[in-house]
Amino acid sequence: GAGVSQSPSNKVTEKGKDVELRCDPISGHTALYWYRQSLGQGLEFLIYFQGNSAPDKSGLPSDRFSAERTGGSVSTLTIQRTQQEDSAVYLCASSLAEGYNSPLHFGNGTRLTVT
Amino acid sequence: SQQGEEDPQALSIQEGENATMNCSYKTSINNLQWYRQNSGRGLVHLILIRSNEREKHSGRLRVTLDTSKKSSSLLITASRAADTASYFCATTGNQFYFGTGTSLTVIP
Repeated sequence: GAGVSQSPSNKVTEKGKDVELRCDPISGHTALYWYRQSLGQGLEFLIYFQGNSAPDKSGLPSDRFSAERTGGSVSTLTIQRTQQEDSAVYLCASSLAEGYNSPLHFGNGTRLTVT
Repeated sequence: SQQGEEDPQALSIQEGENATMNCSYKTSINNLQWYRQNSGRGLVHLILIRSNEREKHSGRLRVTLDTSKKSSSLLITASRAADTASYFCATTGNQFYFGTGTSLTVIP
């Protein structure tokens, strides 16, 4: 399978618990993005990784959110002390190269429900 | 916000008809891309139009770009039930900026 893979596909957690969401980008893709999509809404940018450069964290909504990308491949988005407003679909996307002429390839997302 | 805004929010047509969706944005762009999202899935790239292009075709898709009006349109000709999905425009400046999408329903 050559697509972007995200796990888990669904996650239900209790308010206050920490969660980790995983993204396996397409092999060889140097750029990786995390987005959040609330019901019926557009995509909210969270964070962007490009190669070995410092990530663009400008979209992270609070210090409860963090992400890392190990070895330039797999990425993990961590949400600490989850709140009900964190409930959304978290989408990961990768692209072949830096710059915006390379289309994004999306995974199917992780649907997070905070009860 | 640099975010694109799609119009209409929802569109329902009969199979075989054409569907037109519009996207407006606020700042200068490098290019504009259209994506499709089926329910419960991620977005799939459809077509990219560069800022110096005015029109582009791909199969049953036709995209236009008017940088003076900061707008783009996506036309799907001879629609099929399988075209039912949400369609998003993404403008690229320093980042990818997605709109809230147009929900298209094609009735068989």
